[in-house]
Amino acid sequence: EIVLTQSPATLSLSPGERATLSCRASQSVSTSLAWYQQKPGQAPRLLIFDASNRATGIPARFSGSGSGTDFTLTISSLEPEDFAVYYCQQRTNWPFVFTFGPGTKVDIK
Amino acid sequence: EVQLVESGGGLVKPGGSLRLSCAASGFTFSSYTMNWVRQAPGKGLEWVSSISTRSSYIYYADSLKGRFTISRDNAKNSLYLQMNSLRVEDTAVYYCARDRIAAAGFEWFDPWGQGTLVTVSS
Repeated sequence: EIVLTQSPATLSLSPGERATLSCRASQSVSTSLAWYQQKPGQAPRLLIFDASNRATGIPARFSGSGSGTDFTLTISSLEPEDFAVYYCQQRTNWPFVFTFGPGTKVDIK
Repeated sequence: EVQLVESGGGLVKPGGSLRLSCAASGFTFSSYTMNWVRQAPGKGLEWVSSISTRSSYIYYADSLKGRFTISRDNAKNSLYLQMNSLRVEDTAVYYCARDRIAAAGFEWFDPWGQGTLVTVSS
């Protein structure tokens, strides 16, 4: 079973700063990785799929990179609405399973 | 506008059963794989189950050990999750989520419903 590890657990930054979030898989997932944003009391929202593709309507300040076991979500300049929890997710086809990472909370410094 | 509205949550005793529903609108339901994801209070996301467009392929998280059953009714634009032998640790918000694109097998989850809370307690 593939395990996803996210770091740091909490990232304290100010609006306008750059955020760099990491997701590491216990074995290669190629580019089968997505990132989601969840704000308090809300459902998650897809940000990035297949490691580096922005979902529909996602601002360009969000970008994803990586392949294999190491992935990064970058928010180039934090807006007030970006303070939230971010989850990575991987998919394996045999056995079929989706796995989420534990999340990184981006909060206001 | 795409909408997913979950219902059926509530308080149930350990060992009990509950059936969740997800009503879909704003898209061709029968063309999309659908999914259930849960989130225990204050915890992270956990994938529960996925079902293909014609119910030909169904997958579950190993942790459920046969207690949950996913199904769909394309004529009613609805997704279901039958939950049996419920345990305290099944307490969570249960979200239904559509696949990102149609007819693509199993894809990423977009969008999600607002969720329904299931509380298992004596």
